[in-house]
Amino acid sequence: DVKVTQSSRYLVKRTGEKVFLECVQDMDHENMFWYRQDPGLGLRLIYFSYDVKMKEKGDIPEGYSVSREKKERFSLILESASTNQTSMYLCASSFQDRKYQPQHFGDGTRLSIL
Amino acid sequence: KNQVEQSPQSLIILEGKNCTLQCNYTVSPFSNLRWYKQDTGRGPVSLTIMTFSENTKSNGRYTATLDADTKQSSLHITASQLSDSASYICVVAFYGGATNKLIFGTGTLLAVQP
Repeated sequence: DVKVTQSSRYLVKRTGEKVFLECVQDMDHENMFWYRQDPGLGLRLIYFSYDVKMKEKGDIPEGYSVSREKKERFSLILESASTNQTSMYLCASSFQDRKYQPQHFGDGTRLSIL
Repeated sequence: KNQVEQSPQSLIILEGKNCTLQCNYTVSPFSNLRWYKQDTGRGPVSLTIMTFSENTKSNGRYTATLDADTKQSSLHITASQLSDSASYICVVAFYGGATNKLIFGTGTLLAVQP
């Protein structure tokens, strides 16, 4: 079974802090993704990576950066956390050359910025 | 504008009954359509993926249909169980660069009551 593990289920941080969300997958997937999920909105893509050290902006990258130093690990960084970044963050991974394979999601990190 | 709309927003049914969830999309160029199940507090889990040429796909008690001409899909749940209580998310993929890009619906929240 594919396992996508997010380091924290719940996180509380203060405005202005630098926040790191970590994600690890064990299926040797090339692609990794970060989404945020807010009530009444569909999942929105923040960033994705299709290879080590490669990254592409998604639909809402402002205020975020990412790091992919190893194939299995993809980190999301909130450079200076703000209250409007309070949300559920979901990490996902998939194979690159198999367009009809699903993305596999972690269980999410519920982040609160006070 | 690429969009995925789901109906109803929420639904309550009795255990053992059937139900059908709807998804309409305006996404181009279409690649495939996916249904995910998201339990409360968990990440989405893939149920089905359908390409342009497939109009029905089953996964146990879940049957998805796709009409690419009218750009509509449905997810039919047969003989519902309490464990079917979840949010069901319709996702449409379109071709875009290194990987398919996904447009997520806002989900239908299903509650199955005893």
